[in-house]
Amino acid sequence: QSVLTQPPSASGTPGQRVTISCSGSSSNIGRNTVNWYLQLPGTAPRLLIYSSNHRPSGVPDRLSGSKSGTSASLAISGLQSEDEADYYCAVWDDSLNAVVFGGGTKLTVL
Amino acid sequence: EVQLLESGGGLVQPGGSLRLSCSASGFTFRAYAVSWVRQAPGKGLEWVSTISASGATTYYADSGKGRFTISRDNSKNTLYLRMDSLRAEDTAVYYCAKDREQWLVLWYFDLWGRGSLVTVSS
Repeated sequence: QSVLTQPPSASGTPGQRVTISCSGSSSNIGRNTVNWYLQLPGTAPRLLIYSSNHRPSGVPDRLSGSKSGTSASLAISGLQSEDEADYYCAVWDDSLNAVVFGGGTKLTVL
Repeated sequence: EVQLLESGGGLVQPGGSLRLSCSASGFTFRAYAVSWVRQAPGKGLEWVSTISASGATTYYADSGKGRFTISRDNSKNTLYLRMDSLRAEDTAVYYCAKDREQWLVLWYFDLWGRGSLVTVSS
């Protein structure tokens, strides 16, 4: 059971906007910024969003992150087939003194 | 080329030990905190341990406390993870990953290695 809760799956058609949620608590998302990673099958994770809403260079602006209270979201607009991957949220937890990851969301482009 | 390359994985019996290495190139290794993150087969990501840029401060997940030791040799641009008393549940791909910001530990990782598979089985 992950400390951060993500839906196990999400889907959308090309061009659509999809949102992936990440629910935590006052000891993690409530106090710290959230980071998002993408993982394609058989490859290492890649940083998509850091500090809740910042994109590293090379990440397209159709991806965006937000945080409110003890929840965070990753939004992907203009969905493309190459967006099909596993997405993870992560944050430092002040009570556990650990980085915690969500269980991951598998995004399918229909 | 900016990269991290893990090595040292393999098959080990329960109760055994293993040392993973992560060789860094293409950036100023000594300026960044680095971490180990693992992924059991078919499962999600799990943070294992982090070491500060200087090596003076280390952090561990409860799953590895007392059994795992993270260290680094900045003169060799190399990160290590010594794993003792290994259990079947430690079976995973172990990734090394670097923090995005210099000199700080901010817990987000912008460069990852390809991973090294550790299998604990008799």
